[in-house]
Amino acid sequence: DQQVKQNSPSLSVQEGRISILNCDYTNSMFDYFLWYKKYPAEGPTFLISISSIKDKNEDGRFTVFLNKSAKHLSLHIVPSQPGDSAVYFCAAIDEKLTFGTGTRLTIIP
Amino acid sequence: DAMVIQNPRYQVTQFGKPVTLSCSQTLNHNVMYWYQQKSSQAPKLLFHYYDKDFNNEADTPDNFQSRRPNTSFCFLDIRSPGLGDAAMYLCATSRAAGTDTQYFGPGTRLTVL
Repeated sequence: DQQVKQNSPSLSVQEGRISILNCDYTNSMFDYFLWYKKYPAEGPTFLISISSIKDKNEDGRFTVFLNKSAKHLSLHIVPSQPGDSAVYFCAAIDEKLTFGTGTRLTIIP
Repeated sequence: DAMVIQNPRYQVTQFGKPVTLSCSQTLNHNVMYWYQQKSSQAPKLLFHYYDKDFNNEADTPDNFQSRRPNTSFCFLDIRSPGLGDAAMYLCATSRAAGTDTQYFGPGTRLTVL
């Protein structure tokens, strides 16, 4: 039973435009959400997080939005750069970290 | 640089032959985790250590064991690898449990022949 879902396995975005990665969850006990970025042959790297008491968190080009009523969160990257090409994992915590299956983002120069 | 190191990066073993994967950290974190990630799937937590306290996930097969001889090192032992155990194995650490950020190593890709 996949409690954290990333329904888009891949996404291609033109350099300079906005990338929007989406994530849905089913467990209402999740109280903290994270995005990890993974390059080939490397482990996941923490990118940005948000607590369930907030609906937005921003860090430079990266913004995470949380809609608790819809059990949905999204990661916005503006402007997208070629170095952003990677696999992005959404993750959520109740007692442990539960990952989604990832979205492969490709930035087209 | 403080980091999480996994050795080897690639491991090939034979069906049924025990194998040990290694993880070390220079972050001095209290918690160490082992995840299994199969192709196109989400990383799945196998178990974690909070200091010396071992916490096994309910659905982790008995074939998988772990040792943490000291703060810096943690080992994953697969007693009798099957073809279905071929995967990427990720080690992670965090200062505390709960919402503390987890820092991942580069992973060990295990092939079972």
